[in-house]
Amino acid sequence: AQSVAQPEDQVNVAEGNPLTVKCTYSVSGNPYLFWYVQYPNRGLQFLLKYITGDNLVKGSYGFEAEFNKSQTSFHLKKPSALVSDSALYFCAVRDIQGTGRRALTFGSGTRLQVQP
Amino acid sequence: NAGVTQTPKFQVLKTGQSMTLQCAQDMNHNSMYWYRQDPGMGLRLIYYSASEGTTDKGEVPNGYNVSRLNKREFSLRLESAAPSQTSVYFCASSEALDTPNYGYTFGSGTRLTVV
Repeated sequence: AQSVAQPEDQVNVAEGNPLTVKCTYSVSGNPYLFWYVQYPNRGLQFLLKYITGDNLVKGSYGFEAEFNKSQTSFHLKKPSALVSDSALYFCAVRDIQGTGRRALTFGSGTRLQVQP
Repeated sequence: NAGVTQTPKFQVLKTGQSMTLQCAQDMNHNSMYWYRQDPGMGLRLIYYSASEGTTDKGEVPNGYNVSRLNKREFSLRLESAAPSQTSVYFCASSEALDTPNYGYTFGSGTRLTVV
């Protein structure tokens, strides 16, 4: 079985400060990992993904995420937050071996609020 | 623009009514999915279709049926709507797992209220 945990319902950060949104995962094999962002009344948009290779993945809008196999984590980061980054962020995982349910499993989401 | 199109965008149903949510993609993706989004619960998989001609249950399939009409279209049917099915429904599509571009493209969602 595969699962994802996003331990924080909400993260508050001041504009210009670095931000981190946490994600931990569980899979039986190796993971595909994703971050998606959802703006109000919109669908989910792809931010970045990790499949293989460098543990630090760079994505859209200046976001990056670090894959840590020993800690089974894939935290989303940005060096300097913008007010326009305020949105709902979802982490998702799928077992790379493709066993079991052949679809992404999503976390419960973390709301990011960036204050001016 | 290429992408995933969902209809309708909004719907209000009375308990016991039926309806079909439509989803179409024009990216020639093999796989299609239906998720529901509820506050604090993230996205939960209802049904998916790994390829044309196949469908499988997800995490929360009870009360729903699906049809993969062709490679482009994947519909979700509520036979007898219940208030517990009040939610935002998202359709998504993807290429196969072993392709470099694997990842989901989402539709804009259907906001369904059952009264």
